[in-house]
Amino acid sequence: NAGVTQTPKFQVLKTGQSMTLQCAQDMNHNSMYWYRQDPGMGLRLIYYSASEGTTDKGEVPNGYNVSRLNKREFSLRLESAAPSQTSVYFCASSEATSSGNTIYFGEGSWLTVV
Amino acid sequence: GQQLNQSPQSMFIQEGEDVSMNCTSSSIFNTWLWYKQDPGEGPVLLIALYKAGELTSNGRLTAQFGITRKDSFLNISASIPSDVGIYFCAGHMNRDDKIIFGKGTRLHILP
Repeated sequence: NAGVTQTPKFQVLKTGQSMTLQCAQDMNHNSMYWYRQDPGMGLRLIYYSASEGTTDKGEVPNGYNVSRLNKREFSLRLESAAPSQTSVYFCASSEATSSGNTIYFGEGSWLTVV
Repeated sequence: GQQLNQSPQSMFIQEGEDVSMNCTSSSIFNTWLWYKQDPGEGPVLLIALYKAGELTSNGRLTAQFGITRKDSFLNISASIPSDVGIYFCAGHMNRDDKIIFGKGTRLHILP
């Protein structure tokens, strides 16, 4: 069971370049998320998708766009990368049950913008 | 908006010692989650709590959902070197709400 899979694992970009981080989950979850993690800042929500066809801004959406391609896939795009976007990016998915909501993470994508 | 305050920010302990960390919320939560993150990896779920007062164990880890529903703690007994990492609390009020995270507790174990 792969869970949440995200690619690439590592990427170096020049300022102004664009790239897309891919994420897929095989748990049939409705909700998917993109977080960034910076030292001392914890996990900050960039965008999330509560269901296929819907996306909403999180805490730090500026400079990013997302696409919920289908129920499995949720991509994050940087149109014009900036050094401030150097970070570790985590994709996650969750499913609400009668008990509550539990979120599962991918292994992370390390992005450096030079 | 909802905020989670997690403390301590970091801990230095001796191997074999017990560890305690906690999270408090400005709002009532209906779910509390505890995660551990190893270097170079994504956070992994340790314990999920769904009821006020619930006390749940996972090996040497024990977590409780506070009666007020505004706090939770995680205890680790008899710490070992592989316990090193960052521990995050997380939670939400309603099951359709976004899950929010604390800023993490970094655990260091001295030989």
